[in-house]
Amino acid sequence: AQKITQTQPGMFVQEKEAVTLDCTYDTSDPSYGLFWYKQPSSGEMIFLIYQGSYDQQNATEGRYSLNFQKARKSANLVISASQLGDSAMYFCAMSVVRNTGFQKLVFGTGTRLLVSP
Amino acid sequence: EAQVTQNPRYLITVTGKKLTVTCSQNMNHEYMSWYRQDPGLGLRQIYYSMNVEVTDKGDVPEGYKVSRKEKRNFPLILESPSPNQTSLYFCASSFHLPTPWQGVESSYNSPLHFGNGTRLTVT
Repeated sequence: AQKITQTQPGMFVQEKEAVTLDCTYDTSDPSYGLFWYKQPSSGEMIFLIYQGSYDQQNATEGRYSLNFQKARKSANLVISASQLGDSAMYFCAMSVVRNTGFQKLVFGTGTRLLVSP
Repeated sequence: EAQVTQNPRYLITVTGKKLTVTCSQNMNHEYMSWYRQDPGLGLRQIYYSMNVEVTDKGDVPEGYKVSRKEKRNFPLILESPSPNQTSLYFCASSFHLPTPWQGVESSYNSPLHFGNGTRLTVT
């Protein structure tokens, strides 16, 4: 069964420093997609970044980059130059293809990031 | 403004009293889905719909119903709510989920757009 594992319940980082949030995944499908979402205290889910399993290069979006290591089945999120507004819950997710051919998104349990001044 | 709208944002109800959480999107998205979020469990999929009149169960469908009579609407129905359905619910939509072989440059890259959530308490 497909699964996403986020082993860090909470992370602390000082403002302006970089932080890496870990994500490992398990799937036997050769094709899959990996996502990161941010959930601030207000509750909404905000899409950050996407990486396809066939993408040759690591995805980047502004201060966010995805460190994709396919052989290790890891898709860590790197946030550079942390800001106070980065304090939030972060979810890693994977799109998988069901037997019916339809896709779904499987989420990890999340990592709460706290950025201190 | 492109958005997914859920209503209500907060709901407190009693066991057994039928309720409906509405979800509407204005982006002409084909794919819609409901998730529940519980502490320590992340988000789990309840139901999803690939298009009008096409729905299927997610990982935790028990106690829920959905319908997709129109492309824009995807209501979640709790026929007889129970306390274990107390949770934060999210509706989400996308054109369709990106296919991995098309990559980020593909025009099919369409992340899930989430509503603002509905916090349901069943007493």
